[in-house]
Amino acid sequence: EAAVTQSPRSKVAVTGGKVTLSCHQTNNHDYMYWYRQDTGHGLRLIHYSYVADSTEKGDIPDGYKASRPSQENFSLILELASLSQTAVYFCASRTDRYEQYFGPGTRLTVL
Amino acid sequence: GDSVTQTEGPVTLSEGTSLTVNCSYETKQYPTLFWYVQYPGEGPQLLFKVPKANEKGSNRGFEATYNKEATSFHLQKASVQESDSAVYYCALSPITGNTGKLIFGLGTTLQVQP
Repeated sequence: EAAVTQSPRSKVAVTGGKVTLSCHQTNNHDYMYWYRQDTGHGLRLIHYSYVADSTEKGDIPDGYKASRPSQENFSLILELASLSQTAVYFCASRTDRYEQYFGPGTRLTVL
Repeated sequence: GDSVTQTEGPVTLSEGTSLTVNCSYETKQYPTLFWYVQYPGEGPQLLFKVPKANEKGSNRGFEATYNKEATSFHLQKASVQESDSAVYYCALSPITGNTGKLIFGLGTTLQVQP
């Protein structure tokens, strides 16, 4: 069974602070993704990566950075957290057959 | 751009009744279509995918047919159970570019009453 883990599972941050969300996969997949989930918007793609040390912008990248230091690890960074970034964040990796496996999510609350 | 529209929820059914969740998509490409299911406190899980038009996908009693002419991919189940209560997402993945990114619908919450 594919395995994607995320940490922390929940976090409270202050406006203007820096937040780092981490994702680890043991699937040996090349592609990894970060999505955010909001009521009324479903899941939307923030950043993705297909190889270590390289990241690409998704559909809603503003206010977010990503880092892929190794094939297994993919981080999402909020340099200056804002209230509008309160959401649940999901990491995923995908197979060569385009099947994505998601982590359990991180609930981020920005106050 | 690419988009997915699905039945607005919540959908409330009694155990043993049939389910249809409508899904329509828009894209200029030839996508692979997916249904994902999400249980409380978990990430979405792949229910099944269909990469080719006019083919059917199925899993756990759920099924959907990729209708390219109607640009639809409706989810059906003949007899729902309480354990089917979850959020269901229809999604597409454009073939062009090989990014494999998913475009999701807004999700449909299904509540099954015993």
